[in-house]
Order: sequence, then structure tokens, then C-alpha cells
Amino acid sequence: DQQVKQNSPSLSVQEGRISILNCDYTNSMFDYFLWYKKYPAEGPTFLISISSIKDKNEDGRFTVFLNKSAKHLSLHIVPSQPGDSAVYFCAARSGSGTYKYIFGTGTRLKVLA
Amino acid sequence: GAGVSQSPSNKVTEKGKDVELRCDPISGHTALYWYRQSLGQGLEFLIYFQGNSAPDKSGLPSDRFSAERTGGSVSTLTIQRTQQEDSAVYLCASSFGRYYEQYFGPGTRLTVT
Repeated sequence: DQQVKQNSPSLSVQEGRISILNCDYTNSMFDYFLWYKKYPAEGPTFLISISSIKDKNEDGRFTVFLNKSAKHLSLHIVPSQPGDSAVYFCAARSGSGTYKYIFGTGTRLKVLA
Repeated sequence: GAGVSQSPSNKVTEKGKDVELRCDPISGHTALYWYRQSLGQGLEFLIYFQGNSAPDKSGLPSDRFSAERTGGSVSTLTIQRTQQEDSAVYLCASSFGRYYEQYFGPGTRLTVT
């Protein structure tokens, strides 16, 4: 049972355009969400996070939106750059009393120059 | 270096052998996590440590898997009697605590032949 789903395995975007990566979850007890970026042969690196009490968090070119009623999370990258090409994972924490994070399967973003 | 390190980076072993994977977290990080990523899959939570104790071992796939952490620092993940389905990239991460993002190491690629 996949509690965190990234239904698009890959996405291609032109440089300068907006990239939108989506993530759906099933557990309404998730209280904290994160996005990680992963380059080949490296571990994931933290990108941006959002608490369930917020609906938006912005950091430079990266914005995460949370729609709790739809149990949907999205990451917007504007403008997209070739260096953004990587695999993006969303992750959710299953409650404030735990350290356990559930990860999605990832979306491979390719930004075309 | 200041990041999470893991060793070995690659390990090829024969089915039935035992393997030990090592993780050196960032100094001062109290929480340590082990994940694995099988081909085409997301990150699968295995275990986390708070200090030297492991409050959550729920992700360990079988009793062939065990982990320990000593001195609140280095952790070892041991897989006994390896099977081909154990082949995956094993990732270690550490964090200051549950309100902080996880920093990942580069992973150990395990191949069981």
C-alpha cells in the first residue's frame, strides 16, 4: 500500500519554463512534507518542506503547495534550469511523535536547454 | 568532510553470505535512519535511531536484517544470509531531530549474485 504516490515517473520541461511535480498521499495523519532532489550516484538532498498547518512555502525558485482536502502536494520550480534535472522525491512524516518518513517513488525531471 | 559518509560504496556478495554496511552521520546529529531503494522503487524506510536506541524497527524486512549504533554516532546495518532480493542501494541519513530535514549519504550499492 503506497501511502505517498508520485504518479508521473518522468517530466520534461524547457529551460525557463515552470516545472510542476505532483505528489498525492492517503494518510490524513501526515503532518510534515518534504521534497528531496537526487542526482545519479548521490544521496538525496533536502530541497524544501511544508508543515500541514500551511498551504504554501516558498524558497527562491522553489515553491511547495499543500492541499490538505485533496491530499495533494506539488513542487513548482520557476524558472527551470538545466541543473534542476534530477529525480525528485516527496516524503511525508507519519505524525509528530515519530521520525518515520514515507517516500514516494520519485519523478525524473529533465530540463531541456 | 562534514557530510554523511557510507562504506563501502559498492558491495558484491554471493548469496548466503553476510554483509555489513557502515554509516558515519554528521557530528551532533542525534537521529539516524536507514533506507533502501530497490530498482524502480522509492525509498523504503528500514529503521531509525534516536541516540543509540532504535524505537522503530518496523521497516526491517526480515530477521536477517539488524542494525546497531554505538556512541550515538556510527551505525552498522548487517544483513545475514543475503538473498538476491536484498540487492538495492542502502541509504543512511541523519538529522538533528524530528523537526529537521535529513541529510543523506551517497549510499551503498549492494549486489547479491
